[in-house]
Amino acid sequence: GESVGLHLPTLSVQEGDNSIINCAYSNSASDYFIWYKQESGKGPQFIIDIRSNMDKRQGQRVTVLLNKTVKHLSLQIAATQPGDSAVYFCAENHYGQNFVFGPGTRLSALP
Amino acid sequence: EAGVAQSPRYKIIEKRQSVAFWCNPISGHATLYWYQQILGQGPKLLIQFQNNGVVDDSQLPKDRFSAERLKGVDSTLKIQPAKLEDSAVYLCASSFQGLRNEQFFGPGTRLTVL
Repeated sequence: GESVGLHLPTLSVQEGDNSIINCAYSNSASDYFIWYKQESGKGPQFIIDIRSNMDKRQGQRVTVLLNKTVKHLSLQIAATQPGDSAVYFCAENHYGQNFVFGPGTRLSALP
Repeated sequence: EAGVAQSPRYKIIEKRQSVAFWCNPISGHATLYWYQQILGQGPKLLIQFQNNGVVDDSQLPKDRFSAERLKGVDSTLKIQPAKLEDSAVYLCASSFQGLRNEQFFGPGTRLTVL
């Protein structure tokens, strides 16, 4: 079936550096994507979303890039802080269907 | 604004026993979801309710799992009988209306089946 995956299962970044988390999706019909952050012992928390009619969307310290040609999206976190340490999931959606979550990437901000 | 509440937070049972999880969504949220999150994986949708009606339960193992949302507010998810592979975190989420609205997740219930 259709699936969403991540290139890197773990990512360690120095505090203050930028983090880039990648996600590949296989359903070319997907038109809506969300990045979630999940801290230990908590449920996923919405970070930012993007629709397929956009290539880039910016939030506070976060940017999501969507490349529909290669079915790839990324989450960029500027000036990574200790509080950014968590597991990050991408989720893709085709209208009328349920979200499919990727396996997640663990981000560790190193002091 | 109060978030999504779930109980219990942890549960340990032996295989073939039954277990139930409870979820109270954010007030006013019509849509409620139950997800299963196996360790090291992303959440997988089990069932979606719109008010007290089931919208999608295609991935719910109906031979052992059941869920209800009486009166369109609280929901319970039951497993009977449990298997070892049911060990996971069960997440409840709610959204104001429909799938494209932001989903707010509860803290989850961690189930261990021995």
